Order: sequence, then C-alpha cells, then structure tokens
Amino acid sequence: QVQLQESGPGLVKPSETLSLTCTVSGASIRNYYCSWIRQPPGKGLEWIGYIYYSGRTNYNPSLESRVTLSVDTSKNQFSLKLSSVTAADTAVYYCARHYYDASSYSVWGQGTLVTVSS
Amino acid sequence: EIVMTQSPATLSVSPGERATLSCRASQSVTSNLAWYQQRPGQAPRLLIYGASTRATGIPARFSGSGSGTEFTLTISSLQSEDFAVYYCQQYNNWPPITFGQGTRLEIK
Repeated sequence: QVQLQESGPGLVKPSETLSLTCTVSGASIRNYYCSWIRQPPGKGLEWIGYIYYSGRTNYNPSLESRVTLSVDTSKNQFSLKLSSVTAADTAVYYCARHYYDASSYSVWGQGTLVTVSS
Repeated sequence: EIVMTQSPATLSVSPGERATLSCRASQSVTSNLAWYQQRPGQAPRLLIYGASTRATGIPARFSGSGSGTEFTLTISSLQSEDFAVYYCQQYNNWPPITFGQGTRLEIK
C-alpha cells in the first residue's frame, strides 16, 4: 500500500525559505505526479503545483515566483521549496500522488504544519 | 482562474437524514469535479471524482451529480462519522487547480 510522508522544519523565519520533502513508500514514483497543497489553519485548500517524476512542473501562478518543486527518483522523494516566506505561508502542507496531470487526489500524505514566525 | 463556490457554508442535519451539498463553478468544468471529506486533524479523503464516480472504498450513501457549472454531493442517511468538512475541486481548467471554500456538515 502506497504511503506518502511529508517532512521538514516546523518553524521557519520570515523571509527565509521553507523546504519540505515528500517520501513515497510502497511503490515507485515512476510514472506518477506529485502535487503539493496547503491549508492555512482553519481555512480551505490551496493548490501549490505539481511535478512529474521526470521533473516536469506546473505551478499556481499566484505562487510561481517563489516555488520550486523537484524530484529525486533514487530516493523516491519529491521536494518543495518556497522562498521569501511570510506569516501568510503558515499552513499545513500536504503532498498527494496522482497518475494524470490534472486529476483528483486519491493518495495524500498526513500533512505537516509549517509555522512562519521569528 | 476558475472560482468554486460551495453552499451552504454550514449545514446542520440530524443523523439518519439526507444532506445535500452544492458546488458551483465560475465557468464550465465539464465533469472534472471531485469531492473530498476532511475530518479534524486529517488529510482530505477523496469521495467522488469525475463528478459522479465513487472512489475506492467509499460507501454507496455518498453520491455525486452534475456537470458544467452546477454540482451536488448527496449523503443519504447520515452516519456519525460523516460530520466533517467537504470540499469540491475542479481539475478541468488549470493552472491553477482550485478548491471550493468548504461546507461544514454538523450535527443538528
């Protein structure tokens, strides 16, 4: 059974870069996409972008200037970097695996809370 | 960007009754519409994709309908574990993929 696990610092200072990793277990990431979605406390879901195992990406235009997604097939991992963070970037960050580029998401990580604060 | 609007924001229903949740898209998303359930402290759980296809393991009391701009999630005979927040998501016109703001289903 495939499982996704997000990991990374839970606290990031304003203006710094948020870095998270999504480790996939139970299946290869080959031929799959990984989307990143975030949810500020008490609020709704926001799509950040996706990356294909080959490295092809697509970003939310509202975040595109600050987001970088990457993949490491040798480690079966996807990564997210969000630069110049502010308090508005405080959220639970989820990764989700999917088979098509534009798709619903049937497999999610449990999410990780990242707080932006000095 | 396609804006997804869910109504109502909060729905109060008694256990055993039927709940009807709505989702409207600012322009047609054909049938590329999904519904998710989110319980407190948990990741969203896919219920419906393609507007009306139940995801694997989802009970038959959950059903989805609609196409274009108007969609409905119906939960027949509510169980205690169904009280949660529900989101719709469109994946027809992107980027970005967009979600509705959610409907909170609470016990009456």
